[in-house]
Amino acid sequence: GAGVSQSPSNKVTEKGKDVELRCDPISGHTALYWYRQSLGQGLEFLIYFQGNSAPDKSGLPSDRFSAERTGGSVSTLTIQRTQQEDSAVYLCASSPRPSRDYEQYFGPGTRLTVT
Amino acid sequence: GESVGLHLPTLSVQEGDNSIINCAYSNSASDYFIWYKQESGKGPQFIIDIRSNMDKRQGQRVTVLLNKTVKHLSLQIAATQPGDSAVYFCAEIHTGRRALTFGSGTRLQVQP
Repeated sequence: GAGVSQSPSNKVTEKGKDVELRCDPISGHTALYWYRQSLGQGLEFLIYFQGNSAPDKSGLPSDRFSAERTGGSVSTLTIQRTQQEDSAVYLCASSPRPSRDYEQYFGPGTRLTVT
Repeated sequence: GESVGLHLPTLSVQEGDNSIINCAYSNSASDYFIWYKQESGKGPQFIIDIRSNMDKRQGQRVTVLLNKTVKHLSLQIAATQPGDSAVYFCAEIHTGRRALTFGSGTRLQVQP
């Protein structure tokens, strides 16, 4: 079946602009995660949605970052007033149910470049 | 603070040899440890997991070993193939936070 999809695949923006990144999780998966991967680094957790529960926003690096998940499916990560240090690959993942949240399925990512 | 790290940044092996990728962790409260494979331009791909109350788990050509005494995790790949060339990340998850904490990765290069 279809995996996790993300759009756009690449985004170049000017410093100070806002950007929106989209994630379509695997159908039926209850949990959705956003991670950030800087060049040559591991993945850094940003935010986690589980069903109708309040999201875990503990990984968001600043109040310029926000995310929402509509209808328990599609999610949008918004970065306001982008800075050069925001340049990274933003990865979305979903997992089927809380008891297996260690098994996460990742999308291909959105490469964000802030000039 | 808690961390999940790796001993070697790059591992080069000959095709057909066995590969061992190591990882150290510091969080004793982890429920699961997981290995992910990331090929260039793609998102990480789940390989295998091991629960914290186990010390060994085998999959197809892969084995994960967990030594809780020294807080060490390893991934063994049997008969390494060119398609195994990728960056491998260890990760952990624990009850307190249901997101993965990743290590910095080891690049595996398979020489033909």
